[in-house]
Amino acid sequence: QLRLQESGPGLVKPSETLSLTCTVSSGSISSSNYYWGWIRQSPGRGLEWIGSISYSGSIYYNLSLESRVTISRDTSKNQFSVNLSSVTAADTAVYYCVRVATGSTFDSWGQGTLVTVSS
Amino acid sequence: QSALTQPRSVSGSPGQSVTISCTGTSSDVGGFNYVSWYQQHAGKAPKLMIYDVTKRPSGVPDRFSGSKSGNTASLTISGLQAEDEADYYCCSYAGGYIYVVFGGGTKVTVL
Repeated sequence: QLRLQESGPGLVKPSETLSLTCTVSSGSISSSNYYWGWIRQSPGRGLEWIGSISYSGSIYYNLSLESRVTISRDTSKNQFSVNLSSVTAADTAVYYCVRVATGSTFDSWGQGTLVTVSS
Repeated sequence: QSALTQPRSVSGSPGQSVTISCTGTSSDVGGFNYVSWYQQHAGKAPKLMIYDVTKRPSGVPDRFSGSKSGNTASLTISGLQAEDEADYYCCSYAGGYIYVVFGGGTKVTVL
C-alpha cells in the first residue's frame, strides 16, 4: 500500500527557509500515471495547494508562492522536497505531501507535519 | 478568501441527506470536469471522497455522491451517519497558471 511520509524541522525562524522532504514507499515517483505535490493548512484554516512535480520533472507552483517556493525530486531515493524561503508567521501550517492523479485529484496523503515559524 | 465558495456549515439528523455546494467560475469548476471532494476529521489528513465530479474511489460508501451544474459542484451525503461529521473541502483544476483551487471548507454536523 502506498505510503507518503513527510520529514523536516518543526520549527523555522522568520526569514529563513523551510525545507521538507516526502519519502514515498510502495510506489515510484517516476510512475507515468502520477504527479506528486505539497499542500498546506494553516491552523484553523483551509487547504492551500503549494505546487506539484510531474513524473518527468515538470513543476507547477501556486502563483501566490511562486517567488519563494522550489519543489524538487530525487528519484534514486524515491523522494521529493519543498523549500519555502523568507518565511513569516503566515507560513505556519501543517504541510502535507500528496500523490496527484488526474487534474487536481489528490488521492493519497501523508500524515502531515506541523511547521511553526517563530524566533 | 478561498477561490471556491462553500457554506461554512451544514447539519442534518442521522439518516437524512445533506448537500454541500461549491461555487466557482467558468475558469475552474465550470470549465473542467476535475472537481474533487475531501473529508477531513479533526487532527487527521484529508481523504479523497469524490473525483472527476462524480467518481468514487474504492472503499468510499456509495451514499457519497457528486454532481455539477454550470459553475457549481455539489457533494451529497445520503443516509447521514455519525461518522460523517467532519470538514469537507472541494477542489477544482483551474488550468492556465492557476492549476488548483480549493474551497474554504464546510463543517458537517450530525445532530
